[in-house]
Amino acid sequence: QQQVKQSPQSLIVQKGGISIINCAYENTAFDYFPWYQQFPGKGPALLIAIRPDVSEKKEGRFTISFNKSAKQFSLHIMDSQPGDSATYFCAATLQGAQKLVFGQGTRLTINP
Amino acid sequence: DTGVSQDPRHKITKRGQNVTFRCDPISEHNRLYWYRQTLGQGPEFLTYFQNEAQLEKSRLLSDRFSAERPKGSFSTLEIQRTEQGDSAMYLCASSLEYGQEYFGPGTRLTVT
Repeated sequence: QQQVKQSPQSLIVQKGGISIINCAYENTAFDYFPWYQQFPGKGPALLIAIRPDVSEKKEGRFTISFNKSAKQFSLHIMDSQPGDSATYFCAATLQGAQKLVFGQGTRLTINP
Repeated sequence: DTGVSQDPRHKITKRGQNVTFRCDPISEHNRLYWYRQTLGQGPEFLTYFQNEAQLEKSRLLSDRFSAERPKGSFSTLEIQRTEQGDSAMYLCASSLEYGQEYFGPGTRLTVT
């Protein structure tokens, strides 16, 4: 029940296209859902996050869509750029849990 | 640079040796976390400190692992009698609020 399942494992998108990464969770007590971006040799960096009381959050080219009834959330990267090529992780947590539960990661490649 | 720093960045050791890693969190952050990441996987939680108190430990943290955070500042993670299965990236993170972890660059451990 603590798992977060992420798909796809890898994704190739053309420059200017929309990248979409999906995550699903089981624990309905989760109340905070961040996305992290990781470049090779670096630690994960917080990208954008959402709480379940809203269905969408947008920051620049990055949007999280949240479907509470389906227990799913997704990251959309608009106008994808080669510099967006990285591994993306979804995660979930709840107040008092003191830890993030991460998905397995999606390796995104943006072709120029 | 005011981010999370970790030392060393890379460590190669022989099976059975002890190793110690250091993490310096963002100065005003009272929460400190250790995660472990293996190739192609998301980070897995190891342990959590609030100030100097170690409040949570994962069952992944066997008796060979010990972590400290004296005076609520930097933290150390020690692995005794290393095994090949300990080879991984060890990530430190800090935060002011739950779910908003800021990660360091990690220490890559290779056990030969």
